[in-house]
Amino acid sequence: NAGVTQTPKFRILKIGQSMTLQCTQDMNHNYMYWYRQDPGMGLKLIYYSVGAGITDKGEVPNGYNVSRSTTEDFPLRLELAAPSQTSVYFCASSYRQGSEQFFGPGTRLTVL
Amino acid sequence: AQTVTQSQPEMSVQEAETVTLSCTYDTSESDYYLFWYKQPPSRQMILVIRQEAYKQQNATENRFSVNFQKAAKSFSLKISDSQLGDAAMYFCAYRSARDDKIIFGKGTRLHILP
Repeated sequence: NAGVTQTPKFRILKIGQSMTLQCTQDMNHNYMYWYRQDPGMGLKLIYYSVGAGITDKGEVPNGYNVSRSTTEDFPLRLELAAPSQTSVYFCASSYRQGSEQFFGPGTRLTVL
Repeated sequence: AQTVTQSQPEMSVQEAETVTLSCTYDTSESDYYLFWYKQPPSRQMILVIRQEAYKQQNATENRFSVNFQKAAKSFSLKISDSQLGDAAMYFCAYRSARDDKIIFGKGTRLHILP
């Protein structure tokens, strides 16, 4: 039982490049989330999903896209990377509303 | 919109002493959940304690307890018998029961002095 896994751990992008951050959970959780954490700040919700085929915007969705074709996977897509997207990205999952969120180890992304 | 405020950017406590971290929130909802998460240097987010808004009894997990004051919209975390391993960033979080969105505070960095 690996929990929530994220790849890659680190990535450097040039402005305008695109990439996908991968997130997988093996706990059969319905709810999945993407957050970003800027230096000295708390986590801000980018997108979340309450089940396969359902996604919704969080607090800071601009510049990102998500999909949820399976229960296990919740990839985050950056289409045109900008320096403002330099951050640490966390994926999380939970079984049901109000229950504990389990976090992945994070992806540190730098856009130069 | 809901907000979560942690007014103490940093705190220090002597090992074995007790420390209280403050958190206030703003919401018009009556049904929600509150959490404290710990983030050590490893960056891993670890749940410390959770509280359902409909429960009047304060949650407790070993050395960690909360003081939940719903009317005052306050949710402080008390750490008793502080240990060196408690050194970390602590985040307070609010989760709506209506739309499942989660709002985090900016965090409090806790230092444990040996």
